[in-house]
Amino acid sequence: AQSVTQPDIHITVSEGASLELRCNYSYGATPYLFWYVQSPGQGLQLLLKYFSGDTLVQGIKGFEAEFKRSQSSFNLRKPSVHWSDAAEYFCAVAMFSGGYNKLIFGAGTRLAVHP
Amino acid sequence: DTEVTQTPKHLVMGMTNKKSLKCEQHMGHRAMYWYKQKAKKPPELMFVYSYEKLSINESVPSRFSPECPNSSLLNLHLHALQPEDSALYLCASSPGSGRRGYGYTFGSGTRLTVV
Repeated sequence: AQSVTQPDIHITVSEGASLELRCNYSYGATPYLFWYVQSPGQGLQLLLKYFSGDTLVQGIKGFEAEFKRSQSSFNLRKPSVHWSDAAEYFCAVAMFSGGYNKLIFGAGTRLAVHP
Repeated sequence: DTEVTQTPKHLVMGMTNKKSLKCEQHMGHRAMYWYKQKAKKPPELMFVYSYEKLSINESVPSRFSPECPNSSLLNLHLHALQPEDSALYLCASSPGSGRRGYGYTFGSGTRLTVV
């Protein structure tokens, strides 16, 4: 079955430190992968996406993610975290089923940033 | 215009009330979605509209009734809700439900409380 796993429920980093959020997927075909960020009480904002080409994808707000097919992973990284990055991060895979596109989300990782 | 607009932002309703949530996009997207998100959980798909026709209903109770009057508007009519229906309701759109690579654009959501 198609699924997305985010192993870390909660991560705390210091401002200025590097960040890596993990995402593993299970999908039989070529995965279309996304990272979204959600601030408290807000909707989801697309950070970046991957569906072909270069396996290192650049996104907004200084984020990047690397697709590794051999590890079924799509980890999100940022070299230097800012306090404003504190939010919930969701990894998602687009599943095409019955002629329609569905986004399947991981459980999310809550990021806290210490000053 | 690259936004999905949802109204109202907050809604409190009694279990006997009838209310509606509204969603609007002017990006020319032909697929629109309703998601439900409980606290500290990922969004869960409720309905998919493709070209103004209901394509997917993820076994949602009949007290939730979606409507797509035109390609830019999506409504969710609420009637006889239960307290456990309290959640953040997110609307999203995408260029087409058959295109997995574009991702969704989400609105900021309606925070619904059922009393």
